[in-house]
Amino acid sequence: QLVESGGGLVQPGGSLRLSCAASGFTFSSYAIHWVRQVPGKGLEYVSAISSNGGSTYYADSVTGRFTISRDNSKNTLYLQMGSLRAEDTAVYYCARVPPGDCWGQGTLVTVSS
Amino acid sequence: IQLTQSPSFLSASVGDRVTITCRASQGISSYLAWYQQKPGKAPKLLIYATSTLQNGVPSRFSGSGSGTEFTLTISSLQPEDFATYYCQQLNSYPITFGQGTRLEIK
Repeated sequence: QLVESGGGLVQPGGSLRLSCAASGFTFSSYAIHWVRQVPGKGLEYVSAISSNGGSTYYADSVTGRFTISRDNSKNTLYLQMGSLRAEDTAVYYCARVPPGDCWGQGTLVTVSS
Repeated sequence: IQLTQSPSFLSASVGDRVTITCRASQGISSYLAWYQQKPGKAPKLLIYATSTLQNGVPSRFSGSGSGTEFTLTISSLQPEDFATYYCQQLNSYPITFGQGTRLEIK
């Protein structure tokens, strides 16, 4: 199971940190992704991190503004989001990928003044 | 790598056989997955590695393809299958999704 938290309303230019708590599986064995979805629109990959945290990947749209990290001792994934823009408004999901069989319920981030 | 799904919208009836196509802008071997998403819910994995059915997914779902062209087939639509379907490539970063195919009841 994956459970996201930390979403909310933030002003443009602001920062927010999302968390994703894992349970029921060996968290440290899996790469984990962040995927976002503007309500009513499609899925967009945001970032990914390898099982040991040694490799990280970002979509061009968030490179330099978002940072993904994980604490395997706490079974928790993080997404530090900075310089937020209106177009970052979305539901953010964490997902165990591959294989893609376990997703959180999502947390809504709204960037607005 | 861009993924293009067709059609973007599909209207069908219970019992119909439907096929959704996903085309990649370059070869992705067999690193393709299909998801089903219903409103307000997280995506649900249906198929991974092009054709491997995820545990618990009904056998009316099947996937095929290789290289740049892939298909998801539902052999006999059930009421619970009306949803939006996405393909996803895991061949290389950045991971990408198709734009989605919305399947509605005729």
